[in-house]
Amino acid sequence: GAGVSQSPSNKVTEKGKDVELRCDPISGHTALYWYRQSLGQGLEFLIYFQGNSAPDKSGLPSDRFSAERTGGSVSTLTIQRTQQEDSAVYLCASSLEGRGLSTDTQYFGPGTRLTVL
Amino acid sequence: SQQGEEDPQALSIQEGENATMNCSYKTSINNLQWYRQNSGRGLVHLILIRSNEREKHSGRLRVTLDTSKKSSSLLITASRAADTASYFCATDPRGSNYKLTFGKGTLLTVNP
Repeated sequence: GAGVSQSPSNKVTEKGKDVELRCDPISGHTALYWYRQSLGQGLEFLIYFQGNSAPDKSGLPSDRFSAERTGGSVSTLTIQRTQQEDSAVYLCASSLEGRGLSTDTQYFGPGTRLTVL
Repeated sequence: SQQGEEDPQALSIQEGENATMNCSYKTSINNLQWYRQNSGRGLVHLILIRSNEREKHSGRLRVTLDTSKKSSSLLITASRAADTASYFCATDPRGSNYKLTFGKGTLLTVNP
């Protein structure tokens, strides 16, 4: 079946503008994750959604970042008043359940490369 | 700080050779996973090894886990040019059943 999809694949914006990044998880996956990867770095956890539970927002770097997941499926990551340090690849992943005794395998989308000028 | 740290940061080998990458972590874990990333885009899950396992195989991949040393290794045998990618280990610390922590990765280059 279809994997995780993200849009847009690339986004160039000017400092101070707002951006929205979209993620479509694998159908039937109840857990959804957002990560950020800066150049040459590992992945930094941003936020986690599981079903109807309150999301874990502990990784969001500032209040300019927010995310929502509508209907338990599609998620949107919004960055307000973008700064140059927000430039990175934003990766979305989904997993079957995301809870239990240990972590499920996470399936990643291709990412959105955000460049803030 | 990073939970997982890969070593080496970069590795260059010839096609047909074996490639070994190591990962060290700091806290007790539920499991450890290895991912591959091509060209800085989406990650592909390679293999998961649970904390009560010591070795696991998948095709040309062999993963070991030593929880006493808090370390893991990924061995790719008979490497191919197509194996060129960055390889990341990811751990989920005990007490968290979803929050993966990734290292900075090992960039593997396999020369034809």
